[in-house]
Amino acid sequence: AAGVIQSPRHLIKEKRETATLKCYPIPRHDTVYWYQQGPGQDPQFLISFYEKMQSDKGSIPDRFSAQQFSDYHSELNMSSLELGDSALYFCASSTRPAGDTQYFGPGTRLTVL
Amino acid sequence: SQQGEEDPQALSIQEGENATMNCSYKTSINNLQWYRQNSGRGLVHLILIRSNEREKHSGRLRVTLDTSKKSSSLLITASRAADTASYFCATDGAGANSKLTFGKGITLSVRP
Repeated sequence: AAGVIQSPRHLIKEKRETATLKCYPIPRHDTVYWYQQGPGQDPQFLISFYEKMQSDKGSIPDRFSAQQFSDYHSELNMSSLELGDSALYFCASSTRPAGDTQYFGPGTRLTVL
Repeated sequence: SQQGEEDPQALSIQEGENATMNCSYKTSINNLQWYRQNSGRGLVHLILIRSNEREKHSGRLRVTLDTSKKSSSLLITASRAADTASYFCATDGAGANSKLTFGKGITLSVRP
C-alpha cells in the first residue's frame, strides 16, 4: 500500500539558511499534519491543512510557513534556521472526519550547523 | 494542555514475556493511538481506540481505554526481539481538531 512520502530524507544546512521540506500524502487523503521531534523528545504538532486550507496551528515558529497545494502535497518552509531547529520533521496524512488514523511518513532529518 | 504521559519510561524484558505500557492524559479525547518508533526512524501506527471503546485487539497487541481515569494501556504478548523500540501514545482531542498530542514515550528492550 502507498505510504506518506517525504523528501528529502536528510538535509544539512548552515545557520540562517532556508530549507524546504516536502510531503506527499497517501492517495485520497485530504488532511496533512506536520510534527517536529527533537532529539530524545516526543513529536510536537506544528501545523495542519485540510482541503488546502490551514486547519490548525501549534507551536510553529514565525520563521516557518507551510501550505498545501492543489494536488494535496504540502511543503514546510523554514527560514533563518537556528541550531535548535535540528530535528526530525514528520508529515502525517489522514482522511476526514476528524479522529481518523494518522499515517506518518519516514521523516526528514534536518541538521543545522 | 492535554498530554499523553507514559509509564514506565523504560522497560526491559526477556523474549517471550509480556510487556505492558501505560499512558495517561488530561482532557477529553476523540481517540487514542499507539505508535512504535525504532531508533531515529518513522512512527509506525499500531492501533487506534475510540473514546467509546474499552478494549481492542490487533494480533499480539491489546489496548484498553478507561476514559473515567483518562488512561490507556498497551499490552504486547509473547514479545520478540524485533519489538524493541520506543512506544508512544497520542491523543486526538475532542472536537474538530485532529492534531495528535504525544506523550514522552516508553523505551522497550526485549532481550533475546
